[in-house]
Amino acid sequence: NAGVTQTPKFQVLKTGQSMTLQCAQDMNHEYMSWYRQDPGMGLRLIHYSVGAGITDQGEVPNGYNVSRSTTEDFPLRLLSAAPSQTSVYFCASSYSGGADGELFFGEGSRLTVL
Amino acid sequence: GQQVMQIPQYQHVQEGEDFTTYCNSSTTLSNIQWYKQRPGGHPVFLIQLVKSGEVKKQKRLTFQFGEAKKNSSLHITATQTTDVGTYFCSNNAGNMLTFGGGTRLMVKP
Repeated sequence: NAGVTQTPKFQVLKTGQSMTLQCAQDMNHEYMSWYRQDPGMGLRLIHYSVGAGITDQGEVPNGYNVSRSTTEDFPLRLLSAAPSQTSVYFCASSYSGGADGELFFGEGSRLTVL
Repeated sequence: GQQVMQIPQYQHVQEGEDFTTYCNSSTTLSNIQWYKQRPGGHPVFLIQLVKSGEVKKQKRLTFQFGEAKKNSSLHITATQTTDVGTYFCSNNAGNMLTFGGGTRLMVKP
C-alpha cells in the first residue's frame, strides 16, 4: 500500500494564481482531511470529509475549496493564492475519524506564494 | 473543535535526561491522541487514550490521561537523539481532529 500520497511536493505560485493540491489514499478510508502547518506552529484543520460527497469546514477554511467525488481522492483548491497561504500542507486520512480516528498523514506539500 | 494547549513550546535536554510535555484543555475531552513529527517529516501516530486516568507505555514513553479528562502528558525516560522532533496532542471533537501547538524536543548528545 502507498498510504496517503500528496502531489506536488513543492510549488511556487504568484499572488492571484490558482492551483490544486492532490491527495489520494489507497486504504479505503472514509475520513480525509487537510491541514496547514506554518513554521514553528501546530497543525490547523482546513477542511475535512467523512465520506464521498460530504465535506465540511475546519478551523481555517477561507480561501480553500475541497470536493470528495470518490473515496480515494480529496483535492484541495486554492482559488486565488495569497502570501498568507505560504505553508506546508498535509493531507490525512483515517478509517472513520471520530473516536477511533488514528490519522495517517501524507508527506506534505510545501507551497510558497510570492 | 475543542482547544488543547501544549506546554512547553520548546525543550532542550541533555541526552539521558527525562522529558515531559503536557496537553491541557478547559473542557472535558472525549479522547487524546499523541503524534510525533521528525524535523522535515510528517506527523506519525503514537497512541490514543480514551479512559479517565488511563496510563499506557511504549518502551521509554509513558502516556497519561487525567482523571477529569482535561489534561494529558507524555513522558520520555532517558532521552536519546532519536527522540528529537515535535510532539503533538490531538483531540477528536466529533469529526474535527484538532491539534495543540506542539512541543519541540531538542536533545544534546
